Amino acid sequence: QSVLPQPPSASGTPGQRVTISCSGSSSNIGSIYVYWYQQFPGTAPKLLIYGNNQRPSGVPDRFSGSESGTSASLVISGLRSEDEADYYCAAWDESLSAYVFGTGTKVTVL
Amino acid sequence: EVRLVESGGGLVQPGGSLRLSCAASGFTFSSYNMNWVRQAPGKGLEWVSYISNSGSPIYYADSVRGRFTISRDNAKNSLYLQMNSLREEDTAVYYCATMAPSDYWGQGTLVTVSS
Repeated sequence: QSVLPQPPSASGTPGQRVTISCSGSSSNIGSIYVYWYQQFPGTAPKLLIYGNNQRPSGVPDRFSGSESGTSASLVISGLRSEDEADYYCAAWDESLSAYVFGTGTKVTVL
Repeated sequence: EVRLVESGGGLVQPGGSLRLSCAASGFTFSSYNMNWVRQAPGKGLEWVSYISNSGSPIYYADSVRGRFTISRDNAKNSLYLQMNSLREEDTAVYYCATMAPSDYWGQGTLVTVSS
């Protein structure tokens, strides 16, 4: 099963802006919305972004998503210590009839 | 309160079988498509299988197709994953989840395949 490449790590100091990229293809990111998940160790993933940059209730507006062609990005504006976690992109792949997840990015707050 | 509670995990030898269950409450289970997602120790998320709210269509990841079977019983608000011919690489925490946009997840159940 294919996966969506992400950088393995990203970091920043409190208040900085961090961008996480997610690379796909025309059958997934290029044709359908991307989801972004946040996961803390030992817990289930939590949805951050869905649809056209929509945030579920309770997700701070410092998290935003964007898409361009077959790539997507998650931006954390105003990084906070509690944002230290793993982040995954995900999308439905129309040619595989399967969800594909990104490889995951560990965000460290310096 | 929405709850998804997985059960049925444990230690099994290679080649063995396990049946995972996921009990749903707090939402109209029969209206939601459901998924199984797994995470091997120290690794990333891997989608395993999808079943629509009505029971069809069903989709599987290539890594489990032909060995795993997803099913549901809407009358019992339950989701299942029958896992046969288990391999060491199937060792993971298995989550049941609606996924986006509704995004309900269970706490996960650990499956360990080892001799």
